[in-house]
Amino acid sequence: DAGVIQSPRHEVTEMGQEVTLRCKPISGHDYLFWYRQTMMRGLELLIYFNNNVPIDDSGMPEDRFSAKMPNASFSTLKIQPSEPRDSAVYFCASSRAGNTEAFFGQGTRLTVV
Amino acid sequence: AQSVTQLGSHVSVSEGALVLLRCNYSSSVPPYLFWYVQYPNQGLQLLLKYTTGATLVKGINGFEAEFKKSETSFHLTKPSAHMSDAAEYFCAVSLIQGAQKLVFGQGTRLTINP
Repeated sequence: DAGVIQSPRHEVTEMGQEVTLRCKPISGHDYLFWYRQTMMRGLELLIYFNNNVPIDDSGMPEDRFSAKMPNASFSTLKIQPSEPRDSAVYFCASSRAGNTEAFFGQGTRLTVV
Repeated sequence: AQSVTQLGSHVSVSEGALVLLRCNYSSSVPPYLFWYVQYPNQGLQLLLKYTTGATLVKGINGFEAEFKKSETSFHLTKPSAHMSDAAEYFCAVSLIQGAQKLVFGQGTRLTINP
């Protein structure tokens, strides 16, 4: 398996624009996670899905953030409108039910100017 | 709620020297403990984990960690540092047998001096 695949690897956008980050989890994994990494706050869990259903979105910072998982092989994290403080590295990860290991993608580095 | 504290945001050692990265946790029940490594411009990768059983856990690349319940610690060690060990290391804790409740520490950046 190719691992968790995220796109794009880098995104630079202007404040106010919509940004969509994409993730393809490892085939057969039941859980999908979206994390955000910043210098100030470290690694934060934003939301996770189980069998394509959002289970816990308490980490989503505000209504400008939304995430979807239309099928087992694809998820998106959308920010609309984007703000400079959203600049961070966003990671997608996946895991099997009952397995404590999460497999991470390479991340998307988002810069909002 | 569980939490993780990594002592030292930046550790620097010489090549061939002992690596010691410190992690303390707080948890109301016996936790599951993990160390992840993040190489530059990469995602996190599992180094090792403690779930149950033997308290000394061996991982990849020569790393090991010991779960000490009395000290609420899970320090990561490697006897001899290699240049390729330069990376950021994250300690994490979970109360369940699953990745959905992982709580990560702030990370420790390890630098290896030639």
